[in-house]
Amino acid sequence: EPEVTQTPSHQVTQMGQEVILRCVPISNHLYFYWYRQILGQKVEFLVSFYNNEISEKSEIFDDQFSVERPDGSNFTLKIRSTKLEDSAMYFCATTAGGFNEQFFGPGTRLTVL
Amino acid sequence: DQQVKQNSPSLSVQEGRISILNCDYTNSMFDYFLWYKKYPAEGPTFLISISSIKDKNEDGRFTVFLNKSAKHLSLHIVPSQPGDSAVYFCAASPNAGNMLTFGGGTRLMVKP
Repeated sequence: EPEVTQTPSHQVTQMGQEVILRCVPISNHLYFYWYRQILGQKVEFLVSFYNNEISEKSEIFDDQFSVERPDGSNFTLKIRSTKLEDSAMYFCATTAGGFNEQFFGPGTRLTVL
Repeated sequence: DQQVKQNSPSLSVQEGRISILNCDYTNSMFDYFLWYKKYPAEGPTFLISISSIKDKNEDGRFTVFLNKSAKHLSLHIVPSQPGDSAVYFCAASPNAGNMLTFGGGTRLMVKP
C-alpha cells in the first residue's frame, strides 16, 4: 500500500538554526499539508499546499516558516530560525483531493535545544 | 480554541465488548468528519469518515454516527480487540480537502 514518508525521523538542533523537514507524498496525491503536535497537546494544522502554492495557513505558520515542492516530488517545511517552542512532532499529510481522507506520514520529531 | 472536543481522555473496555468514543464540535461550518487512530511514535492512521449528508457510515467493525443537530459524533468499535488499543482522534473540516481540526484524543485500552 502506498504511504507518505518523512525524513529525518528525529532532528535535534540548536535554537536559532534553520531546519528543513522533508516529506515524500503518495504519488498521485495533489494536496499537501503540514501539522504539528507539541507533546501532550492536540494535533494542529500549519499549512496546506496545492498547485504549487499555499492554499491555507494557520496563525502558527508565521514568517519563520516556509513550504515548497522543490523537485516535484519532495514537499518540504523550512523553519528559518528555530525557537524552543518549535519542539514538536511534525506530520506531513497528503490527499488525492475531493472527499478523500488525508494520509499522514510517520512524523519528524524536532527537538530544539 | 476548542472547536473539536473529546471529553474523555481515556476509555477502558473488555475484549469483545463495544467501544464507544465520543466527539463534540462547535463550528457549524464543519461538513466532513474523520476518525484517526494513532500509536506512539507513528502518524495518525485513517479509520473512517462521514460527510454531513449522512448520519451513519460503517466499515467492518467500525461505525461512525453523526448527529448534526447536537453537533456530536461517535465511533463504535464492535467487537473490540486488544490491537485496537491506541489513541483515537476525531477531526473535522469545512470541506473535504481542507485543513483538519483535531480533538484532543481518547486513549482506548482494550483488555484481554
